[in-house]
Amino acid sequence: EVQLVESGGGLVKPGGSLRLSCAASGFTFSSYSMNWVRQAPGKGLEWVSSVTKSSDYKYYADSVKGRFTISRDNAQNSLYLQMNSLRAEDTAVYYCAKSEGAGYFYDSSARYYFDSWGQGTLVTVSS
Amino acid sequence: DIQMTQSPSTLSASVGDRVTITCRASQSISSWLAWYQQKPGKAPKLLIYRASSLESGVPSRFSGSGSGTEFTLTISSLQPDDFATYYCQQYNTYRWTFGQGTKVEIK
Repeated sequence: EVQLVESGGGLVKPGGSLRLSCAASGFTFSSYSMNWVRQAPGKGLEWVSSVTKSSDYKYYADSVKGRFTISRDNAQNSLYLQMNSLRAEDTAVYYCAKSEGAGYFYDSSARYYFDSWGQGTLVTVSS
Repeated sequence: DIQMTQSPSTLSASVGDRVTITCRASQSISSWLAWYQQKPGKAPKLLIYRASSLESGVPSRFSGSGSGTEFTLTISSLQPDDFATYYCQQYNTYRWTFGQGTKVEIK
């Protein structure tokens, strides 16, 4: 059974930093692209960032580009999101999600959706 | 970015009703569309991928259809466990986008 467990959320002041972690189990982590999706209180889902299985390609939403960095450690079965220069609008529950699909990113044939999600970790940015 | 627009935003229905939710893309996404169900305080759950393929373990009362820019999620006979918020998501580009959600409420 796929398990994704996020950690690292908490209260941080505007301009501060936080590092989220996602511990994966129940599947061969190194074989799948992984993603972060967030949900502000009472709002909808917003894709944040994605990383391919070997970290060859990384993608970011415009709202976090230049401030957030996605990474992974396949030996530790872990996904990370380093969040710097945090703003009030970054307040949200952050979900880790596993990709499923087919194709290759190098030739833009990849088509991946999110088939398993963690329970999320809350990040609150406030003074 | 491709914009996804769902309608309605809220839907009131009774147990046993047939329910249809529509999702429109701002440009063609072929069949690269997924549907998710989310209950309060819980993570989203995948229901449908590639517009009409049912995820393993999802009840057959859920079905999806459409291609190009217009898609639908249908629940053939609404059950008490189905009261939730539903999101569509396009995965035709590497800037994944979701619809704003449709909340299915008890009438």
